[in-house]
Amino acid sequence: GAVVSQHPSWVICKSGTSVKIECRSLDFQATTMFWYRQFPKQSLMLMATSNEGSKATYEQGVEKDKFLINHASLTLSTLTVTSAHPEDSSFYICSARDQGTGGNQPQHFGDGTRLSIL
Amino acid sequence: QKEVEQDPGPLSVPEGAIVSLNCTYSNSAFQYFMWYRQYSRKGPELLMYTYSSGNKEDGRFTAQVDKSSKYISLFIRDSQPSDSATYLCAMGYTGNQFYFGTGTSLTVIP
Repeated sequence: GAVVSQHPSWVICKSGTSVKIECRSLDFQATTMFWYRQFPKQSLMLMATSNEGSKATYEQGVEKDKFLINHASLTLSTLTVTSAHPEDSSFYICSARDQGTGGNQPQHFGDGTRLSIL
Repeated sequence: QKEVEQDPGPLSVPEGAIVSLNCTYSNSAFQYFMWYRQYSRKGPELLMYTYSSGNKEDGRFTAQVDKSSKYISLFIRDSQPSDSATYLCAMGYTGNQFYFGTGTSLTVIP
């Protein structure tokens, strides 16, 4: 149980392109999902907390107009990197918590999306 | 001071060794504690989750929490080359905010 699917796993695109990444909780409902960025050999950096049916909460220093987050259903959140540039190249990982079982549940992670901007 | 401190390693051990991974934390409000394993270019995988002091065992893995010392550990018995990965500790309290360690890179040599 508690499977999180992230798609695509790898994307290469030209500078100026917008890229959408999907994060789905497959066997549970998640009112809250999280988006992280990870540079090589570094830990996870929380970018934003995505709340179903409301606006995402962005961490300090993360441009909300650059990284658009939509959490339209209890099982799907999307991150769109708008007008991507080479400095946006990174490993993006989403996670979700199973809110349905109550209590303080751990986060379950997707397999990440490797984004390379040429 | 960081909320969570974790030695980044790298740690290299021979196959069959007992591995000890540790994290310290400063916030006594943390109530639950997790260990994740992350293989290269993959998302973190939940290994252990506990919300009380003491030990929790799952196969070759034992998670230990000492709230009085603000110290958590993950022990891996009979380590295997397939255990080679980065191990992240994480902790949190009521609400959605989690705090992650920087990760310890482990290599188990056959």
